[in-house]
Amino acid sequence: RKEVEQDPGPFNVPEGATVAFNCTYSNSASQSFFWYRQDCRKEPKLLMSVYSSGNEDGRFTAQLNRASQYISLLIRDSKLSDSATYLCVVNRSNDYKLSFGAGTTVTVRA
Amino acid sequence: ETGVTQTPRHLVMGMTNKKSLKCEQHLGHNAMYWYKQSAKKPLELMFVYSLEERVENNSVPSRFSPECPNSSHLFLHLHTLQPEDSALYLCASSQGVPGQGLNEKLFFGSGTQLSVL
Repeated sequence: RKEVEQDPGPFNVPEGATVAFNCTYSNSASQSFFWYRQDCRKEPKLLMSVYSSGNEDGRFTAQLNRASQYISLLIRDSKLSDSATYLCVVNRSNDYKLSFGAGTTVTVRA
Repeated sequence: ETGVTQTPRHLVMGMTNKKSLKCEQHLGHNAMYWYKQSAKKPLELMFVYSLEERVENNSVPSRFSPECPNSSHLFLHLHTLQPEDSALYLCASSQGVPGQGLNEKLFFGSGTQLSVL
């Protein structure tokens, strides 16, 4: 089983729609969780950390479900500029060994 | 600009060539990383340097040789690569020290798209 698994998509949504997707992780000892965003042919950039209580950053909401070992990302009122690949990242301990998912591609159309 | 600069952006090399990738960070971070990203696959950690000391060599073939002369610079020396080594090579940096609260927030360079013919 992969350490981090994501639905590759693509999720094709119209502007203004809401899109949500999950990421599952295999190691129950995982401690830190992140969403990174990667535009086509560009480097990944940190979008947001994911906290146990769930957190929001503008139109983006992240949730963590430790019991079922998944995190989610919800994007409200999608913009064309939200088109990207979203990478789920998990750190299983307090070191540098981050595990990356292969990414979920979102395409927002006009 | 993320504060991490990688050169070259693109590289095409034959299997017998020797080339080097360069990374420089201007963020004052003390940990630097090399990642490999192949199409449709997750990022793979290759090497980690913390305070100029290599702390991770993730079963990477010896045809990849890292060098970290100081905390701001990181190199990846390439020789006798194989076509399957074609990928995007990403450098990243972060603050902190492994095992002592390393900050997992990575700042990536733009990457080197490598093609091995």
